[in-house]
Amino acid sequence: EIVMTQSPATLSVSPGERATLSCRASQSVSSNLAWYQQKPGQAPRLLIYGASTRATNIPARFSGSGSGTEFTLTISSLQSEDFALYYCQQYNDWPPYTFGQGTKLEI
Amino acid sequence: EVQLLESGGGMVQPGGSLRLSCAASGFTFSGYALSWVRQAPGKGLEWVSVVIGSGGSTYYADSVKGRFTISRDNSKSTLYLQMNSLRAEDTAVYYCARPRGFHGRNAFDLWGQGTMVTVSS
Repeated sequence: EIVMTQSPATLSVSPGERATLSCRASQSVSSNLAWYQQKPGQAPRLLIYGASTRATNIPARFSGSGSGTEFTLTISSLQSEDFALYYCQQYNDWPPYTFGQGTKLEI
Repeated sequence: EVQLLESGGGMVQPGGSLRLSCAASGFTFSGYALSWVRQAPGKGLEWVSVVIGSGGSTYYADSVKGRFTISRDNSKSTLYLQMNSLRAEDTAVYYCARPRGFHGRNAFDLWGQGTMVTVSS
């Protein structure tokens, strides 16, 4: 089973600033890596798939990069609605699909 | 409208059973490998199970293997999760999720709203 590790657990950033979230896989997942955003009481929402492709209707301030075992989600200029939980997920070697433990992005 | 709608959650005693349903609409249900993903209170996301489009192949997380059974009725566009021998650690919101494409090697681009399962005496 591929283990996904996210860092940091919590990231404190001010609105308008840039946020950089990291995700590491225990073995290569190629580019089969997704990022999700989750707000309290809501289902996860797909932001990025294929490590770097934005999902439908996702603003351009969200970008993903990386391949193999190291990945990054960057939010270029934080808006108030971006403060949420973020999860990475590998779907290269399934089952099982595996998620990181999450990064909480807070003001 | 393209959507997934879960139902069947509730409170059950340890050792009990529950059956979750996920009704799909707006897309070709039979073509997709569909999953259940759960989230314990205050915890992260955990994949639970997947069933391939035809229903012939099923896979489970080790934590639920032998206790949960996933199935689908393509004629009703509905996904199921039969949960037996429930434990306190199965307490979670259960989501059904659909990948972006027919193949399972895809991110989940469609999620239901979730249904809460509480296992407690």
